[in-house]
Amino acid sequence: GQSLEQPSEVTAVEGAIVQINCTYQTSGFYGLSWYQQHDGGAPTFLSYNALDGLEETGRFSSFLSRSDSYGYLLLQELQMKDSASYFCARLKDDKIIFGKGTRLHILP
Amino acid sequence: EPEVTQTPSHQVTQMGQEVILRCVPISNHLYFYWYRQILGQKVEFLVSFYNNEISEKSEIFDDQFSVERPDGSNFTLKIRSTKLEDSAMYFCASLPGVRSGANVLTFGAGSRLTVL
Repeated sequence: GQSLEQPSEVTAVEGAIVQINCTYQTSGFYGLSWYQQHDGGAPTFLSYNALDGLEETGRFSSFLSRSDSYGYLLLQELQMKDSASYFCARLKDDKIIFGKGTRLHILP
Repeated sequence: EPEVTQTPSHQVTQMGQEVILRCVPISNHLYFYWYRQILGQKVEFLVSFYNNEISEKSEIFDDQFSVERPDGSNFTLKIRSTKLEDSAMYFCASLPGVRSGANVLTFGAGSRLTVL
């Protein structure tokens, strides 16, 4: 059990708040990371949760509930430049594996 | 800020040819990875490398693939006989140390491989 599940697409309005969910299978779980990838670019690290609760980094926050095998990325005050794909990821043994990614579309 | 460097940025090759993709990870990092991303799809793990040997590999990483760290800085991915389905973006990434705080992978900009 290594898979991570996240929605394929989410649409939100500029200035709004959006939440991207991720569920994972619990076997050998150490923590959940989030990465952002713009079209044509490389994934870049956003946030990491090892323990339950909320981690805040500016407009972006990430939450983890280990008992529910669930986490989310919260993006506030959305800007057009936030249009990208967002991947949750986890460490399993000596590799980091990624969910299929959530494409965030932002409407003006 | 330290970065992971990949070359070439784009390579076009004929099916059946050998390809070598090169990476220079961040110098004090211990774990090195290759990932593949087919256009519009997820980032797929290929192989992890630690202490000069493969620590884990995926089902994708079959006998056509190999990795090497020929010196203290370069980390290469070789595809022996390319197939059409090998066309993808290949990302190299490195990690300072596993299970030591946030597992922050630093990715290179990628090498786009096009197999004709």
